[in-house]
Amino acid sequence: KNQVEQSPQSLIILEGKNCTLQCNYTVSPFSNLRWYKQDTGRGPVSLTIMTFSENTKSNGRYTATLDADTKQSSLHITASQLSDSASYICVVSSQTGANNLFFGTGTRLTVIP
Amino acid sequence: NAGVTQTPKFHILKTGQSMTLQCAQDMNHGYMSWYRQDPGMGLRLIYYSAAAGTTDKEVPNGYNVSRLNTEDFPLRLVSAAPSQTSVYLCASFNRIGPYEQYFGPGTRLTVT
Repeated sequence: KNQVEQSPQSLIILEGKNCTLQCNYTVSPFSNLRWYKQDTGRGPVSLTIMTFSENTKSNGRYTATLDADTKQSSLHITASQLSDSASYICVVSSQTGANNLFFGTGTRLTVIP
Repeated sequence: NAGVTQTPKFHILKTGQSMTLQCAQDMNHGYMSWYRQDPGMGLRLIYYSAAAGTTDKEVPNGYNVSRLNTEDFPLRLVSAAPSQTSVYLCASFNRIGPYEQYFGPGTRLTVT
């Protein structure tokens, strides 16, 4: 069964600290893995997209890693800011097309001053 | 570019009423999709269209959709039920890789 699991469900960190969010998947065959940031009341916004051959990709203070062998990905946030407070969603695609995306339930991150 | 726009932002319906959620994109994307987002659950695909004039053949009960042109992809609730209370997200993406999806801001719909 194709599934995407994220952990933790929620996380509270102090401003300026680093954190790592996890994503494990069983989707097969694998095409790509995406991390999205969703602010409250807004639609998800793409942070990174990684294909099978990529094991790390950065977008500013966000760094995503991918281990296709163990089917695990992580999103590392460096020097967190209050604006990082959001839900982070991991999405795995099994092939091209709109009906082959599998969504995790997200990690709710709260950054406090 | 405005990207993907959705209207209305919020709406309350009574059971049995119908309404249309609007979605438009100005990026000339072929694919457009509708998702619903419920607490504690990942986004769930409702409909997708690969191009103007096409829609997914499997149509969930209670919904209707049309794709008359590239830009617009309205979702119609035929006879609303409380189970359709959700946040509805519209998305679009290009057929050329990396198939990054662009989401609209969502419509929060409550059916009483």
